[in-house]
Formats: sequence, C-alpha cells, structure tokens
Amino acid sequence: DADVTQTPRNRITKTGKRIMLECSQTKGHDRMYWYRQDPGLGLRLIYYSFDVKDINKGEISDGYSVSRQAQAKFSLSLESAIPNQTALYFCATEGSTDTQYFGPGTRLTVL
Amino acid sequence: DQQVKQNSPSLSVQEGRISILNCDYTNSMFDYFLWYKKYPAEGPTFLISISSIKDKNEDGRFTVFLNKSAKHLSLHIVPSQPGDSAVYFCAASAIGGANNLFFGTGTRLTVIP
Repeated sequence: DADVTQTPRNRITKTGKRIMLECSQTKGHDRMYWYRQDPGLGLRLIYYSFDVKDINKGEISDGYSVSRQAQAKFSLSLESAIPNQTALYFCATEGSTDTQYFGPGTRLTVL
Repeated sequence: DQQVKQNSPSLSVQEGRISILNCDYTNSMFDYFLWYKKYPAEGPTFLISISSIKDKNEDGRFTVFLNKSAKHLSLHIVPSQPGDSAVYFCAASAIGGANNLFFGTGTRLTVIP
C-alpha cells in the first residue's frame, strides 16, 4: 500500500466551484506539504504544516486554503476555482531526515 | 525568480553510457540538495541527496556532485539503463529554516536501448 495517498486522482470542474483535494499518509510524519506543478515551472509550494496546529503559507498560497485534520490528513481547498488553477497537485510528507515523500498527484482541470 | 535552475529540458543517452544532469542555484543559504525522479502519472520519488558539508555522495549507479563555489550540482548515472528514463528534478532547501524545497523545472532523460 502507498504511504502517501491523494484523492481524487483526476478532477474536472467549472470556474467558481469549490474543490477539496485530500491527502493521507501512513508514514507517521509530522510535516506535510502541498505543491502544484505546471509545465515548465517545476513544483511550487502552496502550503505546509509542521504539525496539527501549525499552518504556513508557501510561495503561491493565494486562492487556496488548507486544513490539517489530523497528523495523517492534510486537505487543500480551492474556494472558487479559476482556470489558471489547472495543474498537477502533489502532497508530500517529511520525517526527520529532511527528505520529502510525495503522493501520486491529483490532476485538476478547471474549465 | 527561479532559485533553482535546470537549463537542459531534455537529455538523450545511449544505454550503458553516462548520464549527467546539471542544476544551478542562486541562494547561498541553501545547504541541502536532493534529486527526485518522476515517472508519468506518479509523484516524484526521492533518489539521492547531499548536504553542503560534502562535495560528493554516491549510491549505487547514482552520484551527486556539489560545487558550492559555483553554486552547481550534478547527478551522474553510470551506467544508464532504459528504466532510468524519467523526468529528474533538482531541489534545494535551507536546513534550519522552514525546510521548504525549491525545485528546478526538471530534465527529461531518455535512455536509448
């Protein structure tokens, strides 16, 4: 079984809709991250959390919000989706080794 | 403002030869560097890392070299195998900071059988 899972794997939605992407991990890591990948831009950090009570904005947090429901769960929300949020979204976890482990990604298309 | 740069979007190498992937960075505070490999429809997977106190780290066929004065690192794969065909991302962070990873834009490696 995968250590970091993301749901859904693919989602098509319309402009203005609220979308939630979910991430779960069984690695027991405290730190969790959300990234987006766009063609030609690599991965960019949206939000990160070092524990359940800690939420921090990343490089491109505008238009997004997150919730850390438990150590194992970290959700990313788009309150009102827009077309330029069409991207591949990755969740990652990190333990004590300064190495991040990524989920399989969610491909989001906003029409 | 891209703090980590991979200037070669693609690289093709014959099976059995050496693959060299390059990465440059601009932030002198970075002190930990990683390489990730990504196959289509999968998330990036950790490959190898190096801290700034070293200039070389080796793991099997993979070796990462760090030149701090040039702010440059490279990944060597010897010998290259068709299964190595993937997109390779270089990433950097500043330990003691927020541990945010800054990624390069990736290099697509194709190993030709």
